[in-house]
Amino acid sequence: QVHLQQSGPGLVKPSETLSLTCSVFGGSINDYHWTWIRQSAVKGLEWIGRIFVHGDTNYNPSLMSRVTMSVDTSKNQLSLKLTSVTAADTAVYYCAKKDGDGWGPGILVTVSS
Amino acid sequence: EIVLTQSPGTLSLSPGERVTLSCRASQNVNVHNFAWHQQKPGQPPRLLVYGTSFRATGIPDRFIGSGSGTDFILTITRLEPEDFALYFCHQYFTSPFTFGPGTKIDVK
Repeated sequence: QVHLQQSGPGLVKPSETLSLTCSVFGGSINDYHWTWIRQSAVKGLEWIGRIFVHGDTNYNPSLMSRVTMSVDTSKNQLSLKLTSVTAADTAVYYCAKKDGDGWGPGILVTVSS
Repeated sequence: EIVLTQSPGTLSLSPGERVTLSCRASQNVNVHNFAWHQQKPGQPPRLLVYGTSFRATGIPDRFIGSGSGTDFILTITRLEPEDFALYFCHQYFTSPFTFGPGTKIDVK
């Protein structure tokens, strides 16, 4: 059974770049596509986008200009980068298998100086 | 963007009761691309039902998903103590994929 482990800083300064990693255990990252979702009290659950292992991505248009997703098959990891963050980007960030079939534990990222 | 509206916002119920959660979409959603998730405090969401009516691995058969078009339902035939939680509907048919605001089931 696939297990996801997330890592990254819990505090990011305004205007800087948020960078998170999601490690996949118990299965190959090549077997599925992967999704990033965030959750905040203001916006609820918000789909950030998804990535297929061949590199294709679908991003939420509201974040598209600032988001980059990537996959490192050699490390069985996926990554999320969100540039020019503001307080509105404060949320719990989740990675998930496919379109939500198995979620990572989540990581709270606070944007504050 | 497809907006998902869930009703009611909160339900106060007792163990053993039957409950029906509703989710309405602002546009048609393919039944293959509709899901329900459960979330408990301090935990990530957990997939309950995908493809409108298929239970995810390990989900008990008291959870029944149904619906089509713009109207979808999650029925819990008999509430167990562990079912008191927040429930989200989710469409992954049209990008950007979206979630409902959630229905909370709490103890009466």
